[in-house]
Amino acid sequence: DAGITQSPRHKVTETGTPVTLRCHQTENHRYMYWYRQDPGHGLRLIHYSYGVKDTDKGEVSDGYSVSRSKTEDFLLTLESATSSQTSVYFCAISDPGQSSGNTIYFGEGSWLTVV
Amino acid sequence: QKEVEQDPGPLSVPEGAIVSLNCTYSNSAFQYFMWYRQYSRKGPELLMYTYSSGNKEDGRFTAQVDKSSKYISLFIRDSQPSDSATYLCAMSAGNNRLAFGKGNQVVVIP
Repeated sequence: DAGITQSPRHKVTETGTPVTLRCHQTENHRYMYWYRQDPGHGLRLIHYSYGVKDTDKGEVSDGYSVSRSKTEDFLLTLESATSSQTSVYFCAISDPGQSSGNTIYFGEGSWLTVV
Repeated sequence: QKEVEQDPGPLSVPEGAIVSLNCTYSNSAFQYFMWYRQYSRKGPELLMYTYSSGNKEDGRFTAQVDKSSKYISLFIRDSQPSDSATYLCAMSAGNNRLAFGKGNQVVVIP
């Protein structure tokens, strides 16, 4: 298993509350990603980071923010959770310096339910 | 047109059969091609990684890439119940951004 730890793994929260998901890696990979996976939509990129304090938006970034203050940690924040953000969230990492540097490795997922 | 098209299935096969999965894509800049396997309530795990056109074999798994047709395939020989999972294709132009298919659910019946 790639050294990726997501927390919390399961969370139920109320509409309108802020939520932060944490991704921690022990691989020293440069790139980190947050995806959400929903039936009928597959994996969709929310935000990604290409270095400490360097982040960019993905295809479904509205309502989400991210921060990366250390190489190993990438935080995803839902500013004010909505029911449409009920999903499973995957953190992923990659490193262009690796022999398979154009592939990414996923964490185990965080299941979020917004009620 | 979506960048990557993958028939979601599901696909049911008897144990021991050959499983054939495929994806088509539209972006001719894609150079790196991957297949991921995802078990229920788990994260996707990298199964096969291929650069450019050609075949790659790893045990019972074979990945094929035909860039001229913008078509990639995954074959699973002697399928086992443990191969029951969702298989996702993914591809990249080398910019550390991946485009994913929606996944193909495979069920291998004992």
